[in-house]
Amino acid sequence: SQTIHQWPATLVQPVGSPLSLECTVEGTSNPNLYWYRQAAGRGLQLLFYSVGIGQISSEVPQNLSASRPQDRQFILSSKKLLLSDSGFYLCAWRGYLGSTEAFFGQGTRLTVV
Amino acid sequence: AQSVAQPEDQVNVAEGNPLTVKCTYSVSGNPYLFWYVQYPNRGLQFLLKYITGDNLVKGSYGFEAEFNKSQTSFHLKKPSALVSDSALYFCAVSSPLILTGGGNKLTFGTGTQLKVEL
Repeated sequence: SQTIHQWPATLVQPVGSPLSLECTVEGTSNPNLYWYRQAAGRGLQLLFYSVGIGQISSEVPQNLSASRPQDRQFILSSKKLLLSDSGFYLCAWRGYLGSTEAFFGQGTRLTVV
Repeated sequence: AQSVAQPEDQVNVAEGNPLTVKCTYSVSGNPYLFWYVQYPNRGLQFLLKYITGDNLVKGSYGFEAEFNKSQTSFHLKKPSALVSDSALYFCAVSSPLILTGGGNKLTFGTGTQLKVEL
């Protein structure tokens, strides 16, 4: 069966520090991978999605970047965090076809102080 | 561009009563529609989806949703609400791959908080 791992669960970082959140998927090949941010427990903002290794689509210009160094690994990064980067970050994967549902990791609560 | 609207920030319903959470969408071509539920500080859990076929889709935990192409809606329903159904519900839309040029974007609404009271 497929599983998705996202870590860490919580993170407190000072303003200006770097960020690296990692997401890995097991039990499937060539997944589509997504990073979402949820602010204040409400709407999901799509940050990045990837259809293959090294292929990243950015939805919103911001202080973050994403990389996909391996087929089932998706990394969210920042060189210098801002206060506004605080939020709940969710990684998800889905199959190649648009008709398949997405499966989510448990999320990372990031607080920038 | 594809989009989803959930017009109600919160829906309150008494336990045992039917519930409806509204969703409308905008997308090129035939839509793929999804409902998810989120409990506090957790990831989203898949409830049900509409791809094609019967307009009434049944999913997990007694939930169902009705696809209405003319009204571009996909409302979530349950005949009898439980207190344990209280959570944040999200509607999402995707497009057939051929129309996305190889991308596979999944767009969510802003969520509706469902509160079921005794």
